[in-house]
Order: sequence, then C-alpha cells, then structure tokens
Amino acid sequence: NAGVMQNPRHLVRRRGQEARLRCSPMKGHSHVYWYRQLPEEGLKFMVYLQKENIIDESGMPKERFSAEFPKEGPSILRIQQVVRGDSAAYFCASSRPQGAEETQYFGPGTRLLVL
Amino acid sequence: AQTVTQSQPEMSVQEAETVTLSCTYDTSENNYYLFWYKQPPSRQMILVIRQEAYKQQNATENRFSVNFQKAAKSFSLKISDSQLGDTAMYFCAFMKPSIYGGATNKLIFGTGTLLAVQP
Repeated sequence: NAGVMQNPRHLVRRRGQEARLRCSPMKGHSHVYWYRQLPEEGLKFMVYLQKENIIDESGMPKERFSAEFPKEGPSILRIQQVVRGDSAAYFCASSRPQGAEETQYFGPGTRLLVL
Repeated sequence: AQTVTQSQPEMSVQEAETVTLSCTYDTSENNYYLFWYKQPPSRQMILVIRQEAYKQQNATENRFSVNFQKAAKSFSLKISDSQLGDTAMYFCAFMKPSIYGGATNKLIFGTGTLLAVQP
C-alpha cells in the first residue's frame, strides 16, 4: 500500500514566480492536510481539505496561498508570487474518513527554496 | 487555544540505554488524541505512537511507550534500548478529532526535541 506521495521533492523558484505542490493521499484516504515547516521550527497547520471541499483554512496566509483537492487527481497547494519567506518544507498528510481513523500519515515533503 | 510545549531542545543517550522525552500541553478539552512523530535526517515525518485521552492505559509500540498523565496534561515518550536509528527530531502533537464536534482534525505540534543516540 503506497504511502502519501508528494512531488516535487525539491522546488526552486525565483521571487515572483508561482509554486505548485502536489499531494496524492494514501489509498482509501479522503482527507488531506497541508503543514508548513519553517527552518528550525515545528510544523504549522495550513489547511484541511476533503474531496472538492475546503474544511478548515485557518492556517493559510490570507494572500497568495490557495489549496484544492479536486474530485479526480491530487491535492494542490499553490503559492503565487513567491517571496523568500515562503522558503520552507511543505508536508502533506492524509487520513481515512472521519470516525474511522484519525491518525494522519505524512508524505516526504516538498522543500521549496525561493531565490 | 491548545498549545504543546517540549522543554528539551536537545537530548543525548548512549546506545542501548533508555531515554525519556517530555511533552506538556494545555487544553480545556476532555476528548482528544496525542501523538509522537519522529523526523530523522531524511526529514520524513514518521508516526511513532498515539494515545487516545479516554484510554487510561498507556500506549506502547515495541521499544516506545508513553507516560500519559491526563490531569497533569503530560505526555512523555520513553525509548528503551536506544538504537542509532532512533537519532531524529521528535515532535509531540495534539489533536481534537472532528468526531467530537467543532474541530477539524488539525495537529498542533510542539517545537521538537533533537535526540542523538551515541554509539
């Protein structure tokens, strides 16, 4: 059973460009979470999605960041007009439907470097 | 709001010895889950152990066990027979599952403890 997949593993962008991070949840998982880890810090929650729905985006910056989890395909975290402060590791996690299993399993992360 | 505190930024232990990592949390909730994740140099986040707050029995997973003190809001991790592969950053995390209403399953992490296992 494949784990949570994230790509790319490393992404380099120049200031002002767009970054698009992808996450495919584990088989049977319909809940996806995105977390950000700044250098030398713990993970901070960004957004929680189910298929075609954003459930909680309380951790998302108000501007430039968006997330989606379409009916088909991976979840996408999009960062527009990146700035150096966006450099971080972005982790995706997935879990089974509510009430069945609350444990979140993490992908390997995408390391974003903004030059 | 819930907070998670890990007061030990770094710890060191000799191979085959036992080490305990501390974690405290602050919440007014009665039903919640607690987790320990490890992050080795590869930076992958790996689940170590999980504890449901309604369970009085401490969770164990092979060499890993927890000491869950609900009244004290303490959740420490004990690693027995430490191995070189245990070298990693260890994060404690709190979650109020959405099945208990009003919450959205988000994990709240502590700042981590860097554990070095010495040969």
